[in-house]
Amino acid sequence: EAQVTQNPRYLITVTGKKLTVTCSQNMNHEYMSWYRQDPGLGLRQIYYSMNVEVTDKGDVPEGYKVSRKEKRNFPLILESPSPNQTSLYFCASSADRGRYEQYFGPGTRLTVT
Amino acid sequence: KNEVEQSPQNLTAQEGEFITINCSYSVGISALHWLQQHPGGGIVSLFMLSSGKKKHGRLIATINIQEKHSSLHITASHPRDSAVYICAVGLITSTDKLIFGTGTRLQVFP
Repeated sequence: EAQVTQNPRYLITVTGKKLTVTCSQNMNHEYMSWYRQDPGLGLRQIYYSMNVEVTDKGDVPEGYKVSRKEKRNFPLILESPSPNQTSLYFCASSADRGRYEQYFGPGTRLTVT
Repeated sequence: KNEVEQSPQNLTAQEGEFITINCSYSVGISALHWLQQHPGGGIVSLFMLSSGKKKHGRLIATINIQEKHSSLHITASHPRDSAVYICAVGLITSTDKLIFGTGTRLQVFP
């Protein structure tokens, strides 16, 4: 089954404690991205990757890091989380760019206290 | 002004009604996406359009490139259609950017 998986699904953490949210896809997609969703603001792109070792900033990259060492995995790293990073996070993949169907992971609800 | 605007923001309907959700955009696009997000959060792609019309079951999506407008129609609505519907556009001027509307919350009552 074609899918994007994210872990963990729910996470409560404290300010400053480094965390990683994993994302993996089994469709051999080149394009992967991370979004955050906040009430009233819609989905906003954090980072995206066009292929292995190729990543770039989206609209709201501050406070986040990513890496793409393998085609299937695209982890999101928060080196020093802050309360304003409390949000619902989605990983997505597609064959290429915005002209192809997007496949979303189930979401990770992060709370930073 | 947002580059992608959806209307209405909230919509309630009785089961069986015909529903229309609108999306207007102000930028050049390579494609337009309609997404569905159920309570609990998961997002599913319904349609991707670059022209014309697509149909899947009771759902129909249309796009008018000249008017920069798209509509999502649901025929014979059902309570299981209750969800947030999100319009997103792929920018023609950027290789890898999607811009999202803020969504339309639909509730269908039996």
